[in-house]
This record gives sequence, C-alpha cells and structure tokens, in this order.
Amino acid sequence: QITLKESGPTLVKPTQTLTLTCTFSGFSLTTSGVGVGWIRQPPGKALEWLALIYWNDDRRYSPSLKSRLTITKDTSKNQVVLTITNMDPIDTATYYCAHTLLYSDELGYWGQGTLVTVSS
Amino acid sequence: QAVLTQPSSLSASPGASASLTCTLHSDINVGTYSIYWYQQKPGSPPQYLLRYKADSDKQQGSGVPSRFSGSKDASANAGILLISGLQSEDEADYYCMIWHSSACVFGGGTKLTVL
Repeated sequence: QITLKESGPTLVKPTQTLTLTCTFSGFSLTTSGVGVGWIRQPPGKALEWLALIYWNDDRRYSPSLKSRLTITKDTSKNQVVLTITNMDPIDTATYYCAHTLLYSDELGYWGQGTLVTVSS
Repeated sequence: QAVLTQPSSLSASPGASASLTCTLHSDINVGTYSIYWYQQKPGSPPQYLLRYKADSDKQQGSGVPSRFSGSKDASANAGILLISGLQSEDEADYYCMIWHSSACVFGGGTKLTVL
C-alpha cells in the first residue's frame, strides 16, 4: 500500500526559506521508474505543479519557479525534501507530494497535503 | 493564453452525462499529448481518474468506474472527460493535466455541480 505524508512548518515569514518533507511508504525511490513530485494549491484556487525527482536523481522544475526551488531525496529515510526560497504571501497554499511512474507519468498517489501560510 | 483552459463550472442532472473539456493552447497539438484527469472533493487531495492519448493508448485509474472515460476533439484541440450516469458523489472539481516541455501543467479546473 502506497502512502505519502507531507510535513513542515505551518507558518513562515516573508523572505524566509520553506523546507517541506514528504515521507512515503509502500515503494522505494531506488526502484527504476519511480518518482515523487510536489504540487501546491492556494486556498480556493487551482493546482500548480512545482517539482519532481526520479529514482535516478533526474529533477524537473516548474519553469516559473525554478530559481526558487530545490528538490532532493533521501532514499535511506524514504523521504523527498522540497525547499522554496524567498517565501511571499502569494505562496500560501496547501502543499501536496505525489507518487509517479516514468512512462505512464500519472500522479497516482497523493498525500493529504499540508497548509503553509506566509505571513509576518 | 494559458497552456490548458477549462470552463470554471458545469452543471448537470443526476443520471445524465457530463462532458468536461480541456482546451490546449493553439501552439500545441492535442494529438501529441496524453491528457490526465483528476477529481478533487472538498478537503481532500486530488484523485487520479484516467489518462487518455488515443483509443489505443489509455489508462483507467485503479478502482475508477468505467463511467469515467476520456476522449479528444481534434477540431477543438481539446481533451474531454466524459462522465456518464452522473451521481451526486461526482460533484467535485476536475483538473486536466499534461506534460509539456518536461514540466507538468494543470488546467484551472472545472467545478461540476450535480443537481
């Protein structure tokens, strides 16, 4: 059974760096074809894809946010970490992580999400 | 113009069919893309429904009823999610998604009301 869970601060100040952790089970990021991505959703708004990392350390980023994003993995801990620099109130959103498979590319399993508010 | 455009809302009656569209930017051809569809209910994460590229290349999400199906309208440069036999539980937000230039892009979502 594949599960994912996001964790991190619920409140950050403007200009701070946000670090979010996705802890997963039921699969391994050492398995060929496996990936984990991050998606966010501001309150009442649409989904926005942020980044993705594959088993082979191939990393993909949203072009509009690439300069602020870093995605890494720790296979020994079954975790994927996303950092976002220079946070702004418009970055207030629920942040989700999701499992994907190369070649099929669906985001088939999602975590429950974590709400991050950016405010001074 | 956004990469993917979805109507913001759609209403349909129980038992009827609903056709949700996802129009691609005029610079990209729907024929070359797989269209992914997700359903999101209030307070819950999105759930993967299906992928559609062609009748010969499609995938239903695990446990997703067959009354959810995908298609394309090449003349409109659009992907379509068809939901037949609408039920009250189908009331939700629906998002389309594609992979474009090695990045994932979501549409703005359609709120489906079943009344």
